[in-house]
Amino acid sequence: KAGVTQTPRYLIKTRGQQVTLSCSPISGHRSVSWYQQTPGQGLQFLFEYFSETQRNKGNFPGRFSGRQFSNSRSEMNVSTLELGDSALYLCASSSGFTGRTGELFFGEGSRLTVL
Amino acid sequence: TQLLEQSPQFLSIQEGENLTVYCNSSSVFSSLQWYRQEPGEGPVLLVTVVTGGEVKKLKRLTFQFGDARKDSSLHITAAQPGDTGLYLCAGYNNDMRFGAGTRLTVKP
Repeated sequence: KAGVTQTPRYLIKTRGQQVTLSCSPISGHRSVSWYQQTPGQGLQFLFEYFSETQRNKGNFPGRFSGRQFSNSRSEMNVSTLELGDSALYLCASSSGFTGRTGELFFGEGSRLTVL
Repeated sequence: TQLLEQSPQFLSIQEGENLTVYCNSSSVFSSLQWYRQEPGEGPVLLVTVVTGGEVKKLKRLTFQFGDARKDSSLHITAAQPGDTGLYLCAGYNNDMRFGAGTRLTVKP
């Protein structure tokens, strides 16, 4: 079955702009999680959506937001971009019914550069 | 401060050598996963361990979950250049939290 698809793969923005990233999970998966990956901080959890509802949220400012649609596709938005927002943004899907295990399937990521 | 501490941060070895990577935390996890990430790609799941003291083998890779479910190790036997990558551990309790990773380079 098709994997997790993220678009766009690369983008360049300037400070103060806003950006929207998209993620299509594996067919049948109802949970989508977003992570920010930087060389200094590693993978940082942003939020998780399950059945169109935010189920968990990490410690990021309100400039970072997301949503999930009825077909499980998800978008994340970053407003008023800062230089420090430059990172690889990874989307991961899972069935959502993980019990104790929580295995994630990642997309290839969207690399954002803020100038 | 990372919830999960991985060591070493960087590791460069010759083909054929053995190595062990560690993942430690003060938190108890219901499960722990190991992922490998190659440049330009997302992390790929290698293994999930659930039971304290559990040992899983995947070809030349051996994974162990600590008895208290707070730590884990990954041992690679006879490393090959194809093992090169970023190895990430992740602990799960309602959501997944990752360590900063161990960047492994295996030289031919």
